[in-house]
Amino acid sequence: AQTVTQSQPEMSVQEAETVTLSCTYDTSESDYYLFWYKQPPSRQMILVIRQEAYKQQNATENRFSVNFQKAAKSFSLKISDSQLGDAAMYFCAYREDSNYQLIWGAGTKLIIKP
Amino acid sequence: DVKVTQSSRYLVKRTGEKVFLECVQDMDHENMFWYRQDPGLGLRLIYFSYDVKMKEKGDIPEGYSVSREKKERFSLILESASTNQTSMYLCASSFHTSGLTRHLFGPGTRLTVL
Repeated sequence: AQTVTQSQPEMSVQEAETVTLSCTYDTSESDYYLFWYKQPPSRQMILVIRQEAYKQQNATENRFSVNFQKAAKSFSLKISDSQLGDAAMYFCAYREDSNYQLIWGAGTKLIIKP
Repeated sequence: DVKVTQSSRYLVKRTGEKVFLECVQDMDHENMFWYRQDPGLGLRLIYFSYDVKMKEKGDIPEGYSVSREKKERFSLILESASTNQTSMYLCASSFHTSGLTRHLFGPGTRLTVL
């Protein structure tokens, strides 16, 4: 069965610095999709960034980028120039091409120090 | 502004009560999901529906049932609430298409069972 592991329950970073959140997954599939979602305190879960497994180029969305290492089954999220509004729980998720369901990691709580 | 809404943000019920959690989306999404979110466990899928009157069990369906009589509405039912069902419940919806389709989430319902 597919699993998603986020090994860092909590991370902290100084405002304006860069932080990387780790995510590893286990699958025997070759076609799949990976996602990072953000859940701010008392607010709705929103999509941060997503990546197709068949694309070698790493996805980027403004200050957010991923380091996708397919052979290592690793999908880390890098946040550059951290802002106070980035404080949230971050969840990594995996989905097979033929499936509607997402498999979720346990989440990483990101704290931004002013 | 497209959205997913949930009937209550906070709910307090007593053991043995029947509890209804409702979710409505206005995006004409085919798929709808109910998750349970607990600290350190990430999101666990309870049930999902890919069409009206269709439902599939997720990872933790025991003690729950669902109803989808209309495309826009997906209800989660706790037939006889128990204290171990105290949790945050998240509803999400998505299009049928595979690929990078994303989940859109509601604000969540924090249920306390006394």
